[in-house]
Amino acid sequence: GQQLNQSPQSMFIQEGEDVSMNCTSSSIFNTWLWYKQDPGEGPVLLIALYKAGELTSNGRLTAQFGITRKDSFLNISASIPSDVGIYFCAGQLIGNDMRFGAGTRLTVKP
Amino acid sequence: DVKVTQSSRYLVKRTGEKVFLECVQDMDHENMFWYRQDPGLGLRLIYFSYDVKMKEKGDIPEGYSVSREKKERFSLILESASTNQTSMYLCASSLFGGVGEKLFFGSGTQLSVL
Repeated sequence: GQQLNQSPQSMFIQEGEDVSMNCTSSSIFNTWLWYKQDPGEGPVLLIALYKAGELTSNGRLTAQFGITRKDSFLNISASIPSDVGIYFCAGQLIGNDMRFGAGTRLTVKP
Repeated sequence: DVKVTQSSRYLVKRTGEKVFLECVQDMDHENMFWYRQDPGLGLRLIYFSYDVKMKEKGDIPEGYSVSREKKERFSLILESASTNQTSMYLCASSLFGGVGEKLFFGSGTQLSVL
């Protein structure tokens, strides 16, 4: 099946800094999604992207669907302590299951 | 809000035991999924179901089975638990399948097999 490469694996940042993470694939996708998992909880959907080149924001979060349909990035601006968690990218192709990246573990130091 | 409830947050079982993980969703969703989450591997799909009494294998079905007797409930069964099945198990549901489906996850069950 399609493999998603998510980077970085982990990030340690200071409160107030901006964060950027990305996901790449050798295959194209029709949909890219970004989920966040708080400690001790299940993942929650942050942003869904449906069109190549699409740029979507949700508060301090911005995500883009790469023009080649093989990548996506997520930016978090002005990080705060509650941004701590694991961020997963997920890609989906028509007729196929959703594929998840390995996750980026974010730690924010106050 | 959609609520996906997993019956146990933590379970400790012995090798060879039969283990049942239960999941219930309250939003009349058609589709339900079981994933396992391991560090560095992300979420891997074990089984899914698009209808009552229907099941499909995911990427890693070996050693697992599922049951969906009612629309709201999807059970994961480990017929004979092994230590390599120690993991976090996540149940999810979605309203419809296909491109763009949005998954709603439960809080997870951390299973330890000794």
